[in-house]
Amino acid sequence: SQQGEEDPQALSIQEGENATMNCSYKTSINNLQWYRQNSGRGLVHLILIRSNEREKHSGRLRVTLDTSKKSSSLLITASRAADTASYFCATDGTGGFKTIFGAGTRLFVKA
Amino acid sequence: DTEVTQTPKHLVMGMTNKKSLKCEQHMGHRAMYWYKQKAKKPPELMFVYSYEKLSINESVPSRFSPECPNSSLLNLHLHALQPEDSALYLCASSQEPGRETQYFGPGTRLLVL
Repeated sequence: SQQGEEDPQALSIQEGENATMNCSYKTSINNLQWYRQNSGRGLVHLILIRSNEREKHSGRLRVTLDTSKKSSSLLITASRAADTASYFCATDGTGGFKTIFGAGTRLFVKA
Repeated sequence: DTEVTQTPKHLVMGMTNKKSLKCEQHMGHRAMYWYKQKAKKPPELMFVYSYEKLSINESVPSRFSPECPNSSLLNLHLHALQPEDSALYLCASSQEPGRETQYFGPGTRLLVL
C-alpha cells in the first residue's frame, strides 16, 4: 500500500505566488524526502528531513515535518514557470531499505 | 560525477522479444534500484541491490530479471513482456542502502506491442 499520500493532486498558480504541497504517511519513519520530476524524466532530489527535525530550508524551499501527525509539507516560495513539475514525497518506512513514494502533486506555474 | 546514466532512452519491443536495460553510475554507490513508473503515477520499487547482491524483489514477475555485474552496473533483462509492462523504467543509486538520498537516471521509456 502507498506509504505517502499527497494533496493536492494538482495545483495551478501564477508565477511569483507560493505553492504548498502536503504529504501524509502511515508508519514511523527515519526520514522523509521530497523529489521533483519534470515531465517523463528522472527524479531530482530536493531535500531530506530527518525524523528528529521539524523544519528545513533550502533556497526557496521550506519543508516541515510533524511526526505526531505523520505529515510533511513542502513550500515553494516565489514560484517560477520552471518549477512546473510533479513533486513526490518519499519515506523510508520501517526496515529502511525501501523508499516508498507518495502519489505526487502536479504543479503548474503560469507565467 | 553525480550522474546515473540509462540506456536506451526509448525501447519498443514485441511480446516475444528479449531485450535489456542498462544503468551505470560512477559515484561509488553501493545500492542500486529499479523502479517502474506508469503515467501520472509515482515510481514503484521493483528491485534493490545492496553491495551487488539482490536484497529486495517486490514480487516482480519473472519476465523481469535483474543483474548486477559489478558495483557500477545494473541491468534489467526483459523477456516475454506484456503490453501492460509499458512504462518508464527508472534506475537509481544511493551511497548506502535505504535511508539515503537516491540519484535517479533519466529513465528508459518502454513500449511493448
